[in-house]
Amino acid sequence: DSGVTQTPKHLITATGQRVTLRCSPRSGDLSVYWYQQSLDQGLQFLIQYYNGEERAKGNILERFSAQQFPDLHSELNLSSLELGDSALYFCASSVVANSYNEQFFGPGTRLTVL
Amino acid sequence: GIQVEQSPPDLILQEGANSTLRCNFSDSVNNLQWFHQNPWGQLINLFYIPSGTKQNGRLSATTVATERYSLLYISSSQTTDSGVYFCAVAFLTGTASKLTFGTGTRLQVTL
Repeated sequence: DSGVTQTPKHLITATGQRVTLRCSPRSGDLSVYWYQQSLDQGLQFLIQYYNGEERAKGNILERFSAQQFPDLHSELNLSSLELGDSALYFCASSVVANSYNEQFFGPGTRLTVL
Repeated sequence: GIQVEQSPPDLILQEGANSTLRCNFSDSVNNLQWFHQNPWGQLINLFYIPSGTKQNGRLSATTVATERYSLLYISSSQTTDSGVYFCAVAFLTGTASKLTFGTGTRLQVTL
């Protein structure tokens, strides 16, 4: 158990809908990362937050947004869902925001868009 | 461009055999991690190893940062070792601390 929690574990929804994925980092970690794992793109970085502020963006679609709350949990919002958004979404956390820190991954949320 | 390459892409072993997985990266790194993704999809941290050598039970890893590669050794493999092994790096000149993942080595351990 990495200490990072994600809910829900599975999500099945229809095209055009909007969903919210939730992540709680390890106790004491200030930085949260979101990654997407799809069959065609592999594991890709989406976005990073540090202590409530956006720190870095990857190839995140405009239909996707995220935030980190004062209690440090984070939410990833996916809207106008398309079939291609079906993927495993991981949250990771680290103590601080720089690249020298080990990242710990949650169990993931498996999203299926029908 | 910035790349992380893993080899071999697929590996089938009999239980008890040893194996070496390789990760090559194209630029200097601040962070290198090895993960095991089990059949249920969970990503399990194996090593944080930007340089040097570490061992944890039957697994060990070595990163030679100056030559831009890392090796993961699995000894006396067991069926529970099956899954996909990923190498991921944070590049020195990259965006903040994002991890760039390789495409993985799929390992199947048979009885």
